[in-house]
Amino acid sequence: DGGITQSPKYLFRKEGQNVTLSCEQNLNHDAMYWYRQDPGQGLRLIYYSQIVNDFQKGDIAEGYSVSREKKESFPLTVTSAQKNPTAFYLCASGGLAGDTQYFGPGTRLTVL
Amino acid sequence: SQQGEEDPQALSIQEGENATMNCSYKTSINNLQWYRQNSGRGLVHLILIRSNEREKHSGRLRVTLDTSKKSSSLLITASRAADTASYFCGGNGGSNYKLTFGKGTLLTVNP
Repeated sequence: DGGITQSPKYLFRKEGQNVTLSCEQNLNHDAMYWYRQDPGQGLRLIYYSQIVNDFQKGDIAEGYSVSREKKESFPLTVTSAQKNPTAFYLCASGGLAGDTQYFGPGTRLTVL
Repeated sequence: SQQGEEDPQALSIQEGENATMNCSYKTSINNLQWYRQNSGRGLVHLILIRSNEREKHSGRLRVTLDTSKKSSSLLITASRAADTASYFCGGNGGSNYKLTFGKGTLLTVNP
């Protein structure tokens, strides 16, 4: 099956810990994105990557880091510097510039 | 700043009725996309309309785009309970690949 997967579905973190969220796609898309969604809110862009080994900050990159070592994978690390990390995190991938984005099922992160 | 702002924030209708949601955006766009999100799930792409298009159809969906007013509308005809979801518009406005989303419209279709 072609698609985009995220793991884990639920993640709990203690304050002061870094955690990494996984995002994998087998759609052969060049571009990948990470969004954050808070309850009743829209999506805010954290980071995006247009090609391997390159990524750009989005609107709310502080406290987050990413890597893009493979075309298929775009992991997101939520660092201890992120003051309010409890949220729903969505990964997406897309082809040509401005083309449709395909979303994964999301990871719900809760800080205990 | 948000490229897409949906209106209304919430809409409740009866099954079989039509539902109309609106989206306004601030800057010029290359295309505008509509997505659906069921509670706790990822977004599902519904339709993409390019800046040189005025209307597009897909099944029970009809999207219009008015670039002079910087607005778009999504019409769902003959709604079903399964259409209950949040609907988001996202504007793609530049040479990069970014989409900027609004806060969404929560549609409830009552059986």
